[in-house]
Amino acid sequence: NAGVMQNPRHLVRRRGQEARLRCSPMKGHSHVYWYRQLPEEGLKFMVYLQKENIIDESGMPKERFSAEFPKEGPSILRIQQVVRGDSAAYFCASSPLGGQVTDTQYFGPGTRLTVL
Amino acid sequence: QQQVKQSPQSLIVQKGGISIINCAYENTAFDYFPWYQQFPGKGPALLIAIRPDVSEKKEGRFTISFNKSAKQFSLHIMDSQPGDSATYFCAASTDKLIFGTGTRLQVFP
Repeated sequence: NAGVMQNPRHLVRRRGQEARLRCSPMKGHSHVYWYRQLPEEGLKFMVYLQKENIIDESGMPKERFSAEFPKEGPSILRIQQVVRGDSAAYFCASSPLGGQVTDTQYFGPGTRLTVL
Repeated sequence: QQQVKQSPQSLIVQKGGISIINCAYENTAFDYFPWYQQFPGKGPALLIAIRPDVSEKKEGRFTISFNKSAKQFSLHIMDSQPGDSATYFCAASTDKLIFGTGTRLQVFP
């Protein structure tokens, strides 16, 4: 049973370009969470999605960032017009139930975005 | 109020010793408290978790102690091993995880 998969593992973009990060949840999981981790810091919640629905995007910057989790295919975190401050590790997690207190979130290996 | 404060930032322990990491929170609505272990270049992995209706949970060498009145919880790693060297994050949750800032543990032989 494959775990949470993220690709690419490393992504380099120049300022102003777009970054697309992909996350395939564990089999049978229909809830996806995105987190951002800056160097030497903890993970910060960005967005929580179910298939075709954004449940909570309270941690998403208001501009340039968007996320989707279509009926078919992986969840996508999209960052438009990247800036140097977007350089970070972006982690995706999935859970089978979602929105429940004790529902374990399983994390992927992350995508390390570097903006030049 | 959504913060989780974690200490120490880094910890050096000799093999066989006890590693203790502490966390504190303000939001009394939190009712799930997991600890994650993260190795360099990897994603966090769930280590152990507790709900506030119990004061202690033990799994192997790892124990969570929970003090609801003080709004504090801690991770104890007994008989620490070099393979335990990693960054440890506490977290608190209602529906989404709020992470502490992490503790970098180094266990020397």
